Amino acid sequence: GAVVSQHPSWVICKSGTSVKIECRSLDFQATTMFWYRQFPKQSLMLMATSNEGSKATYEQGVEKDKFLINHASLTLSTLTVTSAHPEDSSFYICSASRGPANTGELFFGEGSRLTVL
Amino acid sequence: AQSVTQLDSHVSVSEGTPVLLRCNYSSSYSPSLFWYVQHPNKGLQLLLKYTSAATLVKGINGFEAEFKKSETSFHLTKPSAHMSDAAEYFCVVSDLSNDYKLSFGAGTTVTVRA
Repeated sequence: GAVVSQHPSWVICKSGTSVKIECRSLDFQATTMFWYRQFPKQSLMLMATSNEGSKATYEQGVEKDKFLINHASLTLSTLTVTSAHPEDSSFYICSASRGPANTGELFFGEGSRLTVL
Repeated sequence: AQSVTQLDSHVSVSEGTPVLLRCNYSSSYSPSLFWYVQHPNKGLQLLLKYTSAATLVKGINGFEAEFKKSETSFHLTKPSAHMSDAAEYFCVVSDLSNDYKLSFGAGTTVTVRA
């Protein structure tokens, strides 16, 4: 159990277009989901915390109008990269919390690689 | 605030020999500590976690780690490396000071020689 699925795995888009990435918890309800960005050969950088039914909490330096996050249900959170530009190209990973935050019950999706031409 | 330092950016071992990945942490509270593994173009998989129970933690695939408060360390070991262990490994800490959000180390790349 505890599977988190991301879709799409790979996406290529033209500069100026918007791209939506979905994160689903397949067999559990996730009250909290997290979105990370990972540059090549680097660690994961937390972008935002997404809580079901409320606005996402963004980390310092992350543009909330650029990276729209919606957590419409207990099993789905979406990240929309609006008006994407080449510098937005990255590996985006989501994780979902099944239990209290301090228990480490976090499960990660397989990631979505975005390439903006 | 909590933080993690992974002391080696790259570790290369021969198949069948021990693996040691070093991690030091900083935390003002009782931390939770984790090791995750990431294979190329994949998400992260939890290897093991420490959450204030036994200081020697056994994980999946033969990995284990020991929480040493006096040394603020949480090193990851495996007695015998397999080719499939080649991946990126992240040491991660969370505590109350940051609402238990995960703070990732920079990662250690493990290569395994045949």
